[in-house]
Amino acid sequence: AAGVIQSPRHLIKEKRETATLKCYPIPRHDTVYWYQQGPGQDPQFLISFYEKMQSDKGSIPDRFSAQQFSDYHSELNMSSLELGDSALYFCASSLHSRGPGEKLFFGSGTQLSVL
Amino acid sequence: SQQGEEDPQALSIQEGENATMNCSYKTSINNLQWYRQNSGRGLVHLILIRSNEREKHSGRLRVTLDTSKKSSSLLITASRAADTASYFCATDLSQGAQKLVFGQGTRLTINP
Repeated sequence: AAGVIQSPRHLIKEKRETATLKCYPIPRHDTVYWYQQGPGQDPQFLISFYEKMQSDKGSIPDRFSAQQFSDYHSELNMSSLELGDSALYFCASSLHSRGPGEKLFFGSGTQLSVL
Repeated sequence: SQQGEEDPQALSIQEGENATMNCSYKTSINNLQWYRQNSGRGLVHLILIRSNEREKHSGRLRVTLDTSKKSSSLLITASRAADTASYFCATDLSQGAQKLVFGQGTRLTINP
């Protein structure tokens, strides 16, 4: 069965550079979530989208932005990268019509290292 | 502050023993979910228990929910080396929030 696809798997950037992370949800899933997980930390909710509209927002820095496209894939854009942005970034998807708070399907994540 | 707090933070047991992990949360919820994460990998959904349920089973997993105490426990019976992973509880806040809030996780090590 198709899963959530994230790219790239690993990304190395310098401070003050920009990065774009991509997420392709499970086919027919209409809701996408982004999480950030620092080393040894729990996943922190960043932002979610339903039907291409932002549906919820968490602790996402102003330097970050995200959007969901017509094919439901999502991109997380990160600018002016800081050392503290180094983390594992997960995308997850779900089917909204099943109701809020249904189980999420996670991708394998993008490991971002800021040097 | 964290919505979910997990206890213990780390647990090491022998293969075949049972492992119990606890989770507490602060606000009212629609449901509580448990996820598993192998090191550096994505989270995998294990089980979901709704706020009107008290106990749920799935294979070797047993989850309880006590909404009066705002706590849940995950029991893994007859543990196996392959169960070694981090386990997180996650809560969805009521009022239709489109997100899950994760606890800090329990690092479980099963020794062969």
